[in-house]
Amino acid sequence: GAVVSQHPSRVICKSGTSVKIECRSLDFQATTMFWYRQFPKQSLMLMATSNEGSKATYEQGVEKDKFLINHASLTLSTLTVTSAHPEDSSFYICSAREEIGSSPLHFGNGTRLTVT
Amino acid sequence: GQNIDQPTEMTATEGAIVQINCTYQTSGFNGLFWYQQHAGEAPTFLSYNVLDGLEEKGRFSSFLSRSKGYSYLLLKELQMKDSASYLCAVKDSNYQLIWGAGTKLIIKP
Repeated sequence: GAVVSQHPSRVICKSGTSVKIECRSLDFQATTMFWYRQFPKQSLMLMATSNEGSKATYEQGVEKDKFLINHASLTLSTLTVTSAHPEDSSFYICSAREEIGSSPLHFGNGTRLTVT
Repeated sequence: GQNIDQPTEMTATEGAIVQINCTYQTSGFNGLFWYQQHAGEAPTFLSYNVLDGLEEKGRFSSFLSRSKGYSYLLLKELQMKDSASYLCAVKDSNYQLIWGAGTKLIIKP
């Protein structure tokens, strides 16, 4: 089945630094990938939709200058958390689907970000 | 506004059956998904319903009634590993996924 690989799985960084998270679709092409954030005991919150070859579409309240998304190819999207702060500590999950319509989302394993 | 409702938490016994309900009010409907999420892990796909009725997949079944804006996920022969959160998500008329808050299922021996 379709596999989405997300890296790193865990990262600890100091406040003020930037962190890049990669999301790859391993056996299918994904023109669209989605980035979610999840706080403890809460559901997924869509941050942005990453579109291959064009700018990402950010959800209301998500700072595009802080959460930089690049979708350079049909199999890779990256999320960079710039100038990280402790409140950015969270579980970040990417997902992709093979085609529109009924295809389910395939999720990466998530990245646990801790900003100290 | 758009809304997905599911119980916050449920408890069931190993070997038993449990039904997790989901009701939705969305702008349009293009399918309903159920995902399982273990603590600290990403969600995994369980089922998809777009037409009314029951979809059975092994120990898990999912039911949909579009007229009632209602779905349930039925888990049979519960195992300890089924302890997880179960997320209901509806695709609206814009093909955007609207997520429920999830139901934490606790399985007791």
